[in-house]
Amino acid sequence: DGGITQSPKYLFRKEGQNVTLSCEQNLNHDAMYWYRQDPGQGLRLIYYSQIVNDFQKGDIAEGYSVSREKKESFPLTVTSAQKNPTAFYLCASSQQASSPLHFGNGTRLTVT
Amino acid sequence: AQSVSQHNHHVILSEAASLELGCNYSYGGTVNLFWYVQYPGQHLQLLLKYFSGDPLVKGIKGFEAEFIKSKFSFNLRKPSVQWSDTAEYFCAVNQDTGRRALTFGSGTRLQVQP
Repeated sequence: DGGITQSPKYLFRKEGQNVTLSCEQNLNHDAMYWYRQDPGQGLRLIYYSQIVNDFQKGDIAEGYSVSREKKESFPLTVTSAQKNPTAFYLCASSQQASSPLHFGNGTRLTVT
Repeated sequence: AQSVSQHNHHVILSEAASLELGCNYSYGGTVNLFWYVQYPGQHLQLLLKYFSGDPLVKGIKGFEAEFIKSKFSFNLRKPSVQWSDTAEYFCAVNQDTGRRALTFGSGTRLQVQP
């Protein structure tokens, strides 16, 4: 079955450490996205990529970085510059930019 | 920048009651509109979408939404809710040109009491 795989499901890190969240899709989708979900704030866009080797900042990109070296993969690095990194992170993909999103199951990151 | 407002943060209904969840967006150009649902412990899934044509769109599980361009609104409705509709509902919008990534509202938590 095609889908989006995010790993790990739960991640714990110490403050000051960078951490990379994995997102892999086998749907052959061109576009991929990272959102952050916080209670009462919905989903906020961190970064998105409409094509391989290209990506754009979303609304809350500060303290995050991404790469898109392969169509299937869109890893997100949460750097030590992110002031409030504890959150639920969702990866999504779509056939093209205006198509409905397919979501992964998310990674819950806790930084202490 | 576009924004999406969902004014109802938490709605509690009894089974068989009618539902209407509000959604307003700020972008003045051509938009695509979506409602997503997140059931407890599950990932987000598409409920319905509007791209063009008939402004009244029907989705899964008896939900429908009406696009009113003059009001920049895309409200979600269901005539009779069930306990299984308990979930969080998100309205989302993207522009037809320019930045095409979805912007989501803050969500509405629906609790249906049996």
